[in-house]
Amino acid sequence: EAGVAQSPRYKIIEKRQSVAFWCNPISGHATLYWYQQILGQGPKLLIQFQNNGVVDDSQLPKDRFSAERLKGVDSTLKIQPAKLEDSAVYLCASSKTRGSYNEQFFGPGTRLTVL
Amino acid sequence: AQSVTQPDIHITVSEGASLELRCNYSYGATPYLFWYVQSPGQGLQLLLKYFSGDTLVQGIKGFEAEFKRSQSSFNLRKPSVHWSDAAEYFCAVGEKLIFGQGTELSVKP
Repeated sequence: EAGVAQSPRYKIIEKRQSVAFWCNPISGHATLYWYQQILGQGPKLLIQFQNNGVVDDSQLPKDRFSAERLKGVDSTLKIQPAKLEDSAVYLCASSKTRGSYNEQFFGPGTRLTVL
Repeated sequence: AQSVTQPDIHITVSEGASLELRCNYSYGATPYLFWYVQSPGQGLQLLLKYFSGDTLVQGIKGFEAEFKRSQSSFNLRKPSVHWSDAAEYFCAVGEKLIFGQGTELSVKP
């Protein structure tokens, strides 16, 4: 079974530029998560989808971050415009459905550097 | 507020020695507790989880953890560490996975 795929693996941009990350969850997984992991910290949930609907985006900085999962499969996370403090690893995870009993499987992450 | 504290930022142990990584949590109800491992360039992998029942839980790769409600702790242990265990370890709590800041484990030959 293929794991969670993310691309690109690395991205370097200038501040005020825009950037997009892509995630392909494990086949059949209804729930998809985006986390932000700043160096030296644990991951922080940005947004959770159930199929193509948003379940929780309370920690997503909506003035600059957006995410979509149009067909309930792949997802993209966008930052526009980027700030220096957005430098982090962006992790995508998926699970069969919602709830803690369902293990979250994580992708390798996209490392973003904002100069 | 829900939170997780991992007091040790970095721990070094000798190969073959025992290991204990500390985790303290703050949570209003009965917590769901997790330990994840993150190797360089890899995603997070679930080591073990506690939901209810037996307070000593066994996980993959020879790890175990003990839930102690009175101490609000969920410490991770391994009796004999292997060089391949060198990684970052994260404790997390709750359905929405609130993570601690992590403990980096180094293993001396």
